[in-house]
Amino acid sequence: KAGVTQTPRYLIKTRGQQVTLSCSPISGHRSVSWYQQTPGQGLQFLFEYFSETQRNKGNFPGRFSGRQFSNSRSEMNVSTLELGDSALYLCASSLVVAGGQDNEQFFGPGTRLTVL
Amino acid sequence: GDSVTQMEGPVTLSEEAFLTINCTYTATGYPSLFWYVQYPGEGLQLLLKATKADDKGSNKGFEATYRKETTSFHLEKGSVQVSDSAVYFCALSVFNAGKSTFGDGTTLTVKP
Repeated sequence: KAGVTQTPRYLIKTRGQQVTLSCSPISGHRSVSWYQQTPGQGLQFLFEYFSETQRNKGNFPGRFSGRQFSNSRSEMNVSTLELGDSALYLCASSLVVAGGQDNEQFFGPGTRLTVL
Repeated sequence: GDSVTQMEGPVTLSEEAFLTINCTYTATGYPSLFWYVQYPGEGLQLLLKATKADDKGSNKGFEATYRKETTSFHLEKGSVQVSDSAVYFCALSVFNAGKSTFGDGTTLTVKP
């Protein structure tokens, strides 16, 4: 079974631009979550989508948005980029089972975004 | 809110030394607990997990036991190898939340 894939792997943008990152979850996984990883702040939760609906949201400004398609693929968008948005953006998928306790998330390799 | 506190690094050990990385948590619900490992330039890989109190997760010689009474999930390995050098993250996830809360990560360097 293929793992979580993220595209592109590397991205360089300038301040003020916008960017769209893509994530394809493991086949059958309907939950997709996004995280931002920086040396200073560690791993921070951005949002989670389940069945095309945003189910959970972290404490990030409205410049960060996302969506999920009917095939569970997800995109996240960052508008008006700032230098501080430079980070590794990780996507994770999980299999949500009714009544299940196992919440294991499977991570992709990440997209390294550099804002100049 | 939920939080995870793990031992600050970096940790440097000689090959075949014993490893312990401490992790404690605070959660509003009854969480599942995880240890992830991240190698340079890569995403996170699940190392082991435990979903209920007293469960022991184990993988590749690493072990951790879910201790509800002390709200801890310490990672141990009896004999580390150079190839274990990586960043280790302790995390929790509350039932079907689709969100994991991570500790700050502990960088482990194993020297031959």
